[in-house]
Amino acid sequence: DQQVKQNSPSLSVQEGRISILNCDYTNSMFDYFLWYKKYPAEGPTFLISISSIKDKNEDGRFTVFLNKSAKHLSLHIVPSQPGDSAVYFCAASGPTGNQFYFGTGTSLTVIP
Amino acid sequence: DAGITQSPRHKVTETGTPVTLRCHQTENHRYMYWYRQDPGHGLRLIHYSYGVKDTDKGEVSDGYSVSRSKTEDFLLTLESATSSQTSVYFCAIRAAVTVASEAFFGQGTRLTVV
Repeated sequence: DQQVKQNSPSLSVQEGRISILNCDYTNSMFDYFLWYKKYPAEGPTFLISISSIKDKNEDGRFTVFLNKSAKHLSLHIVPSQPGDSAVYFCAASGPTGNQFYFGTGTSLTVIP
Repeated sequence: DAGITQSPRHKVTETGTPVTLRCHQTENHRYMYWYRQDPGHGLRLIHYSYGVKDTDKGEVSDGYSVSRSKTEDFLLTLESATSSQTSVYFCAIRAAVTVASEAFFGQGTRLTVV
């Protein structure tokens, strides 16, 4: 069973607008969440993270929101830029922290 | 960029042959991981290591073995390759498993089993 789910395989947004990528998880023991960005033929690169003691973390144009009661996190990109076009993976880990569980990814296209 | 090198970057092999993929790091990180990426499945953990000679299975470990004889090298072996193991394989490293510790990924190895 997929413990981390990204239900939108793709998303298209106009340049300058907000991109919102969503992620749901099932394991209430998860306490650390990350977003990775992946370009074709490259490895995933770390974007932003959040621990379960917070409900928001911001880094420049990127903000991650965590709703623990709903087991839901989202990544907001404002304003979106064409260079943001990539596949975005959310990931989660639990108290032992030995491994990350990844979602299936959302392909973001930012239209100039 | 984290110092992670995967080799080879591309490989085509025949069904039934053994294949070894190598991950080399220069960061002296304790934790190393092998993931595979497949359409519709995202990244799935195959095996990971938490120290020299210390390894454990991930969610898709069947058909794979790993070895870590040195901190810097983590090898993934397909004992007898099958077409279902055609995938893109990523190695990742992580300094610690405390909160606020991300993993860094290599460039990937595209493996095709024919």
